[in-house]
Amino acid sequence: EAEVAQSPRYKITEKSQAVAFWCDPISGHATLYWYRQILGQGPELLVQFQDESVVDDSQLPKDRFSAERLKGVDSTLKIQPAELGDSAMYLCASSWTGLAYNEQFFGPGTRLTVL
Amino acid sequence: SQQGEEDPQALSIQEGENATMNCSYKTSINNLQWYRQNSGRGLVHLILIRSNEREKHSGRLRVTLDTSKKSSSLLITASRAADTASYFCATAREYGNKLVFGAGTILRVKS
Repeated sequence: EAEVAQSPRYKITEKSQAVAFWCDPISGHATLYWYRQILGQGPELLVQFQDESVVDDSQLPKDRFSAERLKGVDSTLKIQPAELGDSAMYLCASSWTGLAYNEQFFGPGTRLTVL
Repeated sequence: SQQGEEDPQALSIQEGENATMNCSYKTSINNLQWYRQNSGRGLVHLILIRSNEREKHSGRLRVTLDTSKKSSSLLITASRAADTASYFCATAREYGNKLVFGAGTILRVKS
């Protein structure tokens, strides 16, 4: 069964360092999402891609976060510099289209701890 | 910002019992979805109900939607230990719009 792949699964870093997360969506899925989930809360959308284009990054802290999906397939989310408040689970999801009634398939996530 | 609020925040039941979780939201929606998350893992889609539907079933899951009250409920019948997880509702406001998740209900099923 096809799955969304994410790496690394865990990342520990010190504040002010740079970190990067990678996501490989299910083959053929045009839409890719990055979510941040703080412990005890639901996921919050950071950025949504349709193919290689960003369609929603309204909640992305653009002074320190960046995301790209250069060839419309896999994607990288970067934080530079990391802050203590960035400690969270970062989830990647994909769907066939960006239409709201499409099921989103989630990867296992990357647990980030900033010391 | 989170659109939905789940109630209760946590629920503990015995295996075989039914579990009911509720979700309230604030704005009009196109559809509402329920997801399950096992500890430290990604989310798994359970069921989607559109704004013009009132009830939907999938296996041991039953979802209801009351748009006049802006609320939904998820019923899990004959619960199993493997149902232990966090359950989130997520709303889509408009056709093609993003999902906004609630804070979730933690369900523990004791065997």
